[in-house]
Amino acid sequence: DAMVIQNPRYQVTQFGKPVTLSCSQTLNHNVMYWYQQKSSQAPKLLFHYYDKDFNNEADTPDNFQSRRPNTSFCFLDIRSPGLGDAAMYLCATSRSPTDTQYFGPGTRLTVL
Amino acid sequence: DQQVKQNSPSLSVQEGRISILNCDYTNSMFDYFLWYKKYPAEGPTFLISISSIKDKNEDGRFTVFLNKSAKHLSLHIVPSQPGDSAVYFCAASAFSGGGADGLTFGKGTHLIIQP
Repeated sequence: DAMVIQNPRYQVTQFGKPVTLSCSQTLNHNVMYWYQQKSSQAPKLLFHYYDKDFNNEADTPDNFQSRRPNTSFCFLDIRSPGLGDAAMYLCATSRSPTDTQYFGPGTRLTVL
Repeated sequence: DQQVKQNSPSLSVQEGRISILNCDYTNSMFDYFLWYKKYPAEGPTFLISISSIKDKNEDGRFTVFLNKSAKHLSLHIVPSQPGDSAVYFCAASAFSGGGADGLTFGKGTHLIIQP
């Protein structure tokens, strides 16, 4: 089945220790998105790639970076996680910017 | 400044009855609206959408209504089934399809279907 896969599902890191979250897709979609969802809050867009073009939201902290080495994979790097970065991180894809977004199961990040 | 608001954190409905989930928005530029359903430990799943040129879209048991003048949309589920118990997110986009600019989500409404 074509799908959006996120690994790991649960990630624990220490305060200040860099961490990378992974997203892959078998849908061959051109656009990949990263959202952050804190407890009882709405998912919030961090950035997205349209093919190789990176688009950062204005209020996304510099601590968050992303890489998309190929169509299938997209990574979220948190350079120095703080306690406030503990959240569910959702990856989504869409065929084009005008198409519906499809989400992966998310990675729950805990910062100790 | 929440641009998409779901004012009911939870809603309890009896099985077989109609569930009505509400959503309000403030950004006049939004022209495409979506509902996502989310089970625990899973990502949001697309349910139904509506473009601002329409006022109603129906898909099986699910109907979304849009009132542009009131900046309000609602999701109707009839009849409600136990498997409908989930968190429902309303989302909006200023670009048809919810694409390049991403989606603006509400905080979600937890729907509980009681037997």
